[in-house]
Amino acid sequence: GQSLEQPSEVTAVEGAIVQINCTYQTSGFYGLSWYQQHDGGAPTFLSYNALDGLEETGRFSSFLSRSDSYGYLLLQELQMKDSASYFCAVRDEDQAGTALIFGKGTTLSVSS
Amino acid sequence: NAGVTQTPKFQVLKTGQSMTLQCAQDMNHEYMSWYRQDPGMGLRLIHYSVGAGITDQGEVPNGYNVSRSTTEDFPLRLLSAAPSQTSVYFCASSGNRDASYNEQFFGPGTRLTVL
Repeated sequence: GQSLEQPSEVTAVEGAIVQINCTYQTSGFYGLSWYQQHDGGAPTFLSYNALDGLEETGRFSSFLSRSDSYGYLLLQELQMKDSASYFCAVRDEDQAGTALIFGKGTTLSVSS
Repeated sequence: NAGVTQTPKFQVLKTGQSMTLQCAQDMNHEYMSWYRQDPGMGLRLIHYSVGAGITDQGEVPNGYNVSRSTTEDFPLRLLSAAPSQTSVYFCASSGNRDASYNEQFFGPGTRLTVL
């Protein structure tokens, strides 16, 4: 089986940096993904890490440590539009590396 | 490309009724999945498919059936609706020879209420 843990809520102000952590337990790990979901909307892909290290995409970065079963999403220069839910998700061998198992999500609230 | 489409957007059922949620993708993706999302529970995997004719169960498959007769379509059938199946249902797809398997594309969702 799989399980993922991430904080339920995070608050920050515009322009700040916030880090959302995710720890996971899986039976056969392929990679860790991050998705963003605005209220009422569909999840959208942010990043994917299969190997240890940091991946940077604009204001967002994602980190993975396979030995620690740990990753994080780093959001820089926060904007009001970043207020959303953020989900970490794993691909693992139980789903033949295809579908995702999601964490329960972190609600990020950005204030001015 | 329309991406991933889902119909209907909203549905109200009575307990015991059956219905099919439709999902289609026009990206020639091999992998397709169904998730349900409940408040505070994140997205939970119901069923998934690695290609036409191949399906398998996810985390919460009970009460749902799927089939994949074509690459494009992956319908989800509720056999006898129960109030516990009130949820938002998302279909997703990913991966082909020209596109990464790492990024899943989600449909807009179907909001289902079972009375």
